[in-house]
Amino acid sequence: GAVVSQHPSWVICKSGTSVKIECRSLDFQATTMFWYRQFPKQSLMLMATSNEGSKATYEQGVEKDKFLINHASLTLSTLTVTSAHPEDSSFYICSAPRQGDYNEQFFGPGTRLTVL
Amino acid sequence: GQNIDQPTEMTATEGAIVQINCTYQTSGFNGLFWYQQHAGEAPTFLSYNVLDGLEEKGRFSSFLSRSKGYSYLLLKELQMKDSASYLCAGLDSNYQLIWGAGTKLIIKP
Repeated sequence: GAVVSQHPSWVICKSGTSVKIECRSLDFQATTMFWYRQFPKQSLMLMATSNEGSKATYEQGVEKDKFLINHASLTLSTLTVTSAHPEDSSFYICSAPRQGDYNEQFFGPGTRLTVL
Repeated sequence: GQNIDQPTEMTATEGAIVQINCTYQTSGFNGLFWYQQHAGEAPTFLSYNVLDGLEEKGRFSSFLSRSKGYSYLLLKELQMKDSASYLCAGLDSNYQLIWGAGTKLIIKP
């Protein structure tokens, strides 16, 4: 089966610092990757769609200057949370469909971010 | 607007059967997914339906009625490890997943 990895699994940082989260498709190519945020006891909230070789598409209410997304290759997308604040503490999950096949999305294991 | 509705919480007994319902409204329709999510973990894929009818996969089955905008996930021979949240998600015309809030399933011995 297809595998998506995320790094780091968890991170604790001070308020005002930036944190980079990597999402990799290990055995398939993904021109599109999705970034989600999930607060405790809530459903997944789509933040943005990451497109290889072009700009990401952000959902309404998500600040693109705060959540920087770079999809530099067919297997790697990064999300950088800039100037993190305690309210950014959340579970960040990426997912990727196989290139050209949206019948299944493969999720990374998630990254738990805690901002002090 | 787009919307996915499913019950917030359900309780069932070990060894029994439970049906989790989901109704959806999406802009266009390219299929309906069910995912299982244990606390603190990412969702894992359970099923995908794009045609009407029942798809069976071991203890889990998923049903879709496109005319009714309705799906259900059926779990048989419940085990304690099935305690989790079950997420219903519709794939719209832009191939974006529209997520329900999830149904927390509690299994009692």
